[in-house]
Amino acid sequence: DQQVKQNSPSLSVQEGRISILNCDYTNSMFDYFLWYKKYPAEGPTFLISISSIKDKNEDGRFTVFLNKSAKHLSLHIVPSQPGDSAVYFCAASAGDNFNKFYFGSGTKLNVKP
Amino acid sequence: ETGVTQTPRHLVMGMTNKKSLKCEQHLGHNAMYWYKQSAKKPLELMFVYSLEERVENNSVPSRFSPECPNSSHLFLHLHTLQPEDSALYLCASSQDPGYEQYFGPGTRLTVT
Repeated sequence: DQQVKQNSPSLSVQEGRISILNCDYTNSMFDYFLWYKKYPAEGPTFLISISSIKDKNEDGRFTVFLNKSAKHLSLHIVPSQPGDSAVYFCAASAGDNFNKFYFGSGTKLNVKP
Repeated sequence: ETGVTQTPRHLVMGMTNKKSLKCEQHLGHNAMYWYKQSAKKPLELMFVYSLEERVENNSVPSRFSPECPNSSHLFLHLHTLQPEDSALYLCASSQDPGYEQYFGPGTRLTVT
């Protein structure tokens, strides 16, 4: 049973506009969330994280929002650039087993010039 | 370049072969991980090592055998694999368990 879900396998956005990638989770014990980006033939690269004590975390063009009541996480990229085209994974872990991260299946973002 | 290297990058093996995947991290991290990524599926955690001790073993079949001789090196020994074991195997490291992970490029394994 998948505890972290990314329901959109792909997303296409025009350069300069906002990209919004979504992630839902089922385990209310999750308290740490991360986003990774993956280019073809490379491993995932850590982008940004958020803990459950916050509802927003920003790093440059990337902002992660957490809605604990809805068990929903989103990544906003503003403005989107063609180099952002990649597969984005969200991941989550729970404090009682922080060794283990649960990953979503990924959303492929295509930013069109 | 994330500071985590994996060899080989591609491997084709028969079901009766024995092979090993190697991972090395140059980041001074204390924790290392093996993940499996099958087509169209999320990353699945296989093993976690912290300071060379295995701290997580995620119900992985015994035909996969990890080894962590020191905090910089991690191996995955493979024997009598099945075709459904064909996947991308990713190694990762983190400062300590629970921190963000740095991934290697992966080994694309095909079992024939």
